[in-house]
Amino acid sequence: DTAVSQTPKYLVTQMGNDKSIKCEQNLGHDTMYWYKQDSKKFLKIMFSYNNKELIINETVPNRFSPKSPDKAHLNLHINSLELGDSAVYFCASRQTTGGPHEQYFGPGTRLTVT
Amino acid sequence: AQSVTQLGSHVSVSEGALVLLRCNYSSSVPPYLFWYVQYPNQGLQLLLKYTSAATLVKGINDFEAEFKKSETSFHLTKPSAHMSDAAEYFCAVSLSGNTPLVFGKGTRLSVIA
Repeated sequence: DTAVSQTPKYLVTQMGNDKSIKCEQNLGHDTMYWYKQDSKKFLKIMFSYNNKELIINETVPNRFSPKSPDKAHLNLHINSLELGDSAVYFCASRQTTGGPHEQYFGPGTRLTVT
Repeated sequence: AQSVTQLGSHVSVSEGALVLLRCNYSSSVPPYLFWYVQYPNQGLQLLLKYTSAATLVKGINDFEAEFKKSETSFHLTKPSAHMSDAAEYFCAVSLSGNTPLVFGKGTRLSVIA
């Protein structure tokens, strides 16, 4: 069983479009995250959701909006896509109670904006 | 604020040789430290983690890391490199159980036959 899944795996779109990436975790974790990995492999935290509440937003443009319909899902919506949004986006989840647990990552979504 | 520095963006070793990937952290409180591996076109997989128990931590695939508070280091080692170890390796730090991981810039490991 896949612990953290993302769809789609690849996403090619034009500038100005609006797109969404879906993420689901079946681990029962209480917190989910979105990371952006740029072309140099640098991973930067974008959002963190704990029990359906946004608790971190790291200087991400407001064109990006996370939406969590329930504890197992954290989707990423991107409006008015720009060339600089091209990257690999990773969803992750973690149980934040009961100890310093590791984060589990999804397989990533490679977004290409043309 | 916490941060992680990985020395060497690219490390190349011969098959069978020792692997040493360096990680230094900066933290105002005792941190939790992690090493992840990313194979091409895949997500990140946990190799090992330090959570203030034993300072020498053993992980999967014969990797291990030693937490040295005096040197603020958490270097990753493996006695004998395999071709399958070629990947990107990330060191990460977290101050508590509910803060997201902050990653270093990664080290690409190449293994030469």
